Amino acid sequence: DIQMTQSPSSLPASVGDRVTITCRASQSIGSYLNWYQQKPGKAPKLLIYVASNLQSGVPSRFSGSGSGTDFTLTISSLQPDDFATYYCQQSYLIPSFGPGTKVDIK
Amino acid sequence: QVQLQESGPGLVKPSETLSLTCTVSGDSIGDYYWTWIRQPPGKGLEWIGYIYDSGSTNYNPSLKSRVSISVDTSKNQFSLKLKSVTAADTAVYFCARGLTAELSGFYYYYMDVWGKGTTVTVSS
Repeated sequence: DIQMTQSPSSLPASVGDRVTITCRASQSIGSYLNWYQQKPGKAPKLLIYVASNLQSGVPSRFSGSGSGTDFTLTISSLQPDDFATYYCQQSYLIPSFGPGTKVDIK
Repeated sequence: QVQLQESGPGLVKPSETLSLTCTVSGDSIGDYYWTWIRQPPGKGLEWIGYIYDSGSTNYNPSLKSRVSISVDTSKNQFSLKLKSVTAADTAVYFCARGLTAELSGFYYYYMDVWGKGTTVTVSS
């Protein structure tokens, strides 16, 4: 099994902040890494696939980077609609998700 | 625009079988990885498995002995069955469309469209 970790688990932030979330895999997964955003009571929404590819319709303030074991999701300027929980997900082997990072209001 | 909608009983008794259906609208079932994911209350996401190519399946090893996913192309639906459920199977269950991106000869799986989710409680 590949274990995914995320840091921080909680991230207080303000509108306009640059936000960075880190995801780490227990073994190298190449670029087999996706990012999702989930709001309370809603389904997850795909943001980034294959580590750095922006899903159609997702604002360009979201970006992803990394390969191997270490990945980051960056929001260049946090907007009110971005307060949510973010999950990374690996698809190198049996798919699994990280525990999530909750971005909330500082 | 493709949409997915889960349906099925919201309450299942312990030791019984959980059965859910996902109806796909706006596109035909085919050439995708039709996926189930669940989320226990207040917890993270767990990938359950998928079916593709109208029959091939891949399941989470932690659930493999209890789970089956099938597809009905005539109804544009795919289904999940989870047998011998316990309270630990209480969760919101999501269906999703999985697909692969081909880059430099490698195929990368991700889920681009999700249903809204349905809550299943296991209780007597």
